[in-house]
Amino acid sequence: EDQVTQSPEALRLQEGESSSLNCSYTVSGLRGLFWYRQDPGKGPEFLFTLYSAGEEKEKERLKATLTKKESFLHITAPKPEDSATYLCAVQPYSSASKIIFGSGTRLSIRP
Amino acid sequence: GAVVSQHPSWVICKSGTSVKIECRSLDFQATTMFWYRQFPKQSLMLMATSNEGSKATYEQGVEKDKFLINHASLTLSTLTVTSAHPEDSSFYICSARDPSSGASFTEAFFGQGTRLTVV
Repeated sequence: EDQVTQSPEALRLQEGESSSLNCSYTVSGLRGLFWYRQDPGKGPEFLFTLYSAGEEKEKERLKATLTKKESFLHITAPKPEDSATYLCAVQPYSSASKIIFGSGTRLSIRP
Repeated sequence: GAVVSQHPSWVICKSGTSVKIECRSLDFQATTMFWYRQFPKQSLMLMATSNEGSKATYEQGVEKDKFLINHASLTLSTLTVTSAHPEDSSFYICSARDPSSGASFTEAFFGQGTRLTVV
């Protein structure tokens, strides 16, 4: 069964304290992996798409990496405005359009 | 990125009434849209896939007669929660992909979500 697991469930960091969020996945074949940011009461905001192992993408303080089993979202020197829930999702080859979401990591950055 | 607009952002309705939620793709045409439901501190659960000009495809366990989906045009899909009850209270989110890029596979963009409270 296709599955996405994110850890930790919640993470509290001091401003400037770098860390990583993990997304482990089990799929029959990976078409693509997505990272989204979701603020309270809002819809998910697209961040990155990764297609193959070894691929990396960056946007400001965020960097996403991908292996055959997991993806990491590295956050460097975070600021309070980076506080949000970060969602990982995968689209397996078995699905023409559906994507499977993980439960998310709630990130809180203290000033 | 592509823009998906959802309306209303929040709605309160009485038990037994119906509520309609709209999802529009503002700068692209979407033959397929998706409807999700999200409970507090939980992830998004796909409810149904909305197909322009044809019937929606519902996920297992989702009541077709309660959650009516209509995708009458390439830019608009609607979700109607019929005979709403307090247990239908949730955060409903729609999404769509922009096929105009020509890529066979693209990311999905989401609406702002609708908070439904049934009293």
